[in-house]
Amino acid sequence: TQLLEQSPQFLSIQEGENLTVYCNSSSVFSSLQWYRQEPGEGPVLLVTVVTGGEVKKLKRLTFQFGDARKDSSLHITAAQPGDTGLYLCAGANYGQNFVFGPGTRLSVLP
Amino acid sequence: GAVVSQHPSRVICKSGTSVKIECRSLDFQATTMFWYRQFPKQSLMLMATSNEGSKATYEQGVEKDKFLINHASLTLSTLTVTSAHPEDSSFYICSASPGTFWTSGGNNEQFFGPGTRLTVL
Repeated sequence: TQLLEQSPQFLSIQEGENLTVYCNSSSVFSSLQWYRQEPGEGPVLLVTVVTGGEVKKLKRLTFQFGDARKDSSLHITAAQPGDTGLYLCAGANYGQNFVFGPGTRLSVLP
Repeated sequence: GAVVSQHPSRVICKSGTSVKIECRSLDFQATTMFWYRQFPKQSLMLMATSNEGSKATYEQGVEKDKFLINHASLTLSTLTVTSAHPEDSSFYICSASPGTFWTSGGNNEQFFGPGTRLTVL
């Protein structure tokens, strides 16, 4: 069974600060996705990474896929209150269903 | 693009009744649809995977007779919670994928609906 761990579980920071959240596993994934979910809504896809070592940027968000495709990180620069939400990573391994991590709940205070 | 809708967004029902939730892909054909359940402040738990025209594949511990899934077309999947009880109260979310791993070049993205909040009294 593939498991994904995310850290930290909770994070509360002030507006303007930088932060990094991590997604780790002992398993190799063919692709990994990051989502943000707000209360009462479905997750919204932020990015998909498929190549080991890949780095993708989405405005103030930088995503990295580990060289061995077992881990990933999400870095947010100059966080804003609108970044508040539950950040979920999900990995899939060569045709198998996605496995979701437990999520990192981010709160950005104005 | 890649919009998925769910209906209803909220439903309150009495114990013992059945509830149907619809999941539609609005601007793409969904080869595969997934149904998830999410408890408060927890992550998503996959309940079942459905492919158009075939029986759903349920995850271990999910009762197939209680959670009936029908993927009747490439744009519609339904989840029916039969004889609902208070412990079935939860946030149910569907997602849809335009392909499979094998047809998407290893990048089988899934797009989520907005979720359905079920409360069983």
